[in-house]
Amino acid sequence: GAGVSQSPRYKVAKRGQDVALRCDPISGHVSLFWYQQALGQGPEFLTYFQNEAQLDKSGLPSDRFFAERPEGSVSTLKIQRTQQEDSAVYLCASSLGGTYNEQFFGPGTRLTVL
Amino acid sequence: QQQVKQSPQSLIVQKGGISIINCAYENTAFDYFPWYQQFPGKGPALLIAIRPDVSEKKEGRFTISFNKSAKQFSLHIMDSQPGDSATYFCAAVNYGGATNKLIFGTGTLLAVQP
Repeated sequence: GAGVSQSPRYKVAKRGQDVALRCDPISGHVSLFWYQQALGQGPEFLTYFQNEAQLDKSGLPSDRFFAERPEGSVSTLKIQRTQQEDSAVYLCASSLGGTYNEQFFGPGTRLTVL
Repeated sequence: QQQVKQSPQSLIVQKGGISIINCAYENTAFDYFPWYQQFPGKGPALLIAIRPDVSEKKEGRFTISFNKSAKQFSLHIMDSQPGDSATYFCAAVNYGGATNKLIFGTGTLLAVQP
């Protein structure tokens, strides 16, 4: 079956533009995570959904970042008024939820803000 | 505050040699310790994982050694192959918390020379 997919794979934005990044999780996975990976660093947690409920958004760096998962499947991460420091790879992961279930990662979206 | 510390930052090993990557954690609430492998342009993929009630876990050429009292764990790659060249991340999860988010180390870039 298909894994986690993300689109676009690459996004170049001018500073101040809004961007929307899409994640299609594995079908049936109730848990969905967004992570931010800066160049040469490990991924850092941004936000977590269980079905359509956003249960943790403690990792979102500012109120310019917004995520949603309205029907409990596809998720969108939106960044408003992008800044250069937002340049990173944005990774989406999904899992069955519960304890010790593997998080499966998508290939990521590389965002470059000029 | 970096909750999971990883070393070395980079590692060069000859084909057939042993690669060793070390991690240390601070939060004793962590109860699951996975290792992820990431190739350029791809998302992280689960390699092997261990729970703190076990001191060692082996899967093929990959072994995790876990020292609960020292709050340290390590990945050993036996008979390293050029195809193992990738970035490796240790991680930790607190399944007793509200979010099953992964806390990643900073990564180790492994190069296996033929």
